[in-house]
Amino acid sequence: SQTIHQWPATLVQPVGSPLSLECTVEGTSNPNLYWYRQAAGRGLQLLFYSVGIGQISSEVPQNLSASRPQDRQFILSSKKLLLSDSGFYLCAWRRGRANEKLFFGSGTQLSVL
Amino acid sequence: AQKITQTQPGMFVQEKEAVTLDCTYDTSDPSYGLFWYKQPSSGEMIFLIYQGSYDQQNATEGRYSLNFQKARKSANLVISASQLGDSAMYFCAMRDRGGGGADGLTFGKGTHLIIQP
Repeated sequence: SQTIHQWPATLVQPVGSPLSLECTVEGTSNPNLYWYRQAAGRGLQLLFYSVGIGQISSEVPQNLSASRPQDRQFILSSKKLLLSDSGFYLCAWRRGRANEKLFFGSGTQLSVL
Repeated sequence: AQKITQTQPGMFVQEKEAVTLDCTYDTSDPSYGLFWYKQPSSGEMIFLIYQGSYDQQNATEGRYSLNFQKARKSANLVISASQLGDSAMYFCAMRDRGGGGADGLTFGKGTHLIIQP
């Protein structure tokens, strides 16, 4: 069976510090991978997606970047965090077929102080 | 324009009553999919139910059913016999070919459902 792991679960970082959130998927190959952000009390906003190794597309301009160094690994990064980067970050994957549901990781609560 | 609209920010419902969570969508694509997710306080996103635009029948999954009214572009979630454990945020989401994002989902802002004993 397939599983998705996301860590850390919570993170408190000072403004201006770097960020690295990791997400890995097991039990499948060549998944589509996604990073979403959820601001407090709001819906999910798609930040990045990837259809293959090294292929990253950004949905919104921002202070963050993403990388996919391996087929089932997706990393969200920042060189210098801003206060506005605070939020709940969710990694997700799906098979590359139309109308397949997204499977989500457990999320990372990021607080930038 | 908003693609997914959930007009109920919050709802209080008595335990064992049925619940209807509203969702309307906007797309010009004839092929699309509609999804409902549940997000308890732990933060995980739990898939509940899916409806394809070409599906002839309304989707059902246990106590969950989707009231799909295509002409009205409405995809309401119905929870029968609500339980205390149903208290959570509920998100409606859509995938259409015009959404970009490698067919990622576009989410509504959610409805916070609280089941009262």
